[in-house]
Amino acid sequence: DAGVIQSPRHEVTEMGQEVTLRCKPISGHDYLFWYRQTMMRGLELLIYFNNNVPIDDSGMPEDRFSAKMPNASFSTLKIQPSEPRDSAVYFCASSLEGTGTNTQYFGPGTRLTVL
Amino acid sequence: DQQVKQNSPSLSVQEGRISILNCDYTNSMFDYFLWYKKYPAEGPTFLISISSIKDKNEDGRFTVFLNKSAKHLSLHIVPSQPGDSAVYFCAASGDSNYQLIWGAGTKLIIKP
Repeated sequence: DAGVIQSPRHEVTEMGQEVTLRCKPISGHDYLFWYRQTMMRGLELLIYFNNNVPIDDSGMPEDRFSAKMPNASFSTLKIQPSEPRDSAVYFCASSLEGTGTNTQYFGPGTRLTVL
Repeated sequence: DQQVKQNSPSLSVQEGRISILNCDYTNSMFDYFLWYKKYPAEGPTFLISISSIKDKNEDGRFTVFLNKSAKHLSLHIVPSQPGDSAVYFCAASGDSNYQLIWGAGTKLIIKP
């Protein structure tokens, strides 16, 4: 059974460019989470979806960040325009309601470097 | 304000000995607590969890203890192995809220 899939694994871009990160959750999972990890701030929740609907986007740092989930098997996180301070590892995670433990399963992450 | 705290940024333990990782929380409404393990260049992987109605959960070499009165939980790894070297995150959630509140992580180093 495939886990959470993220692409690309690494992204290097220049300041001002648009960046799109992609995520495919585990099949059947109804929650999807986007996180950002930095040395300074640790693991931060950016936004999460339930049944493709955004529930809480209070962690999205600025209007430059947007996320969509057009269907149950795909989500994107877009940064436009990108800035050097956006450099971080971005994780996607999914979970299934009703399991009792709220366990989230993470993808391998996308390491973003903005020059 | 940090609702979940891991006060030790790092911990070094001899191979074969016991590793004890600690986590404190402030919100008495948390119902579930989870430990995740993270290797470099990989996503966090779920390790073990405990419900607030229990005080202990064991899975092989890993045991999590929960002390609700002290709002404290700990992860015990016995015996510690070189492959246990990783960053360990403590996380908590309320029953009606599917978000996880994360600690800052503790880097565990197992010395041969």
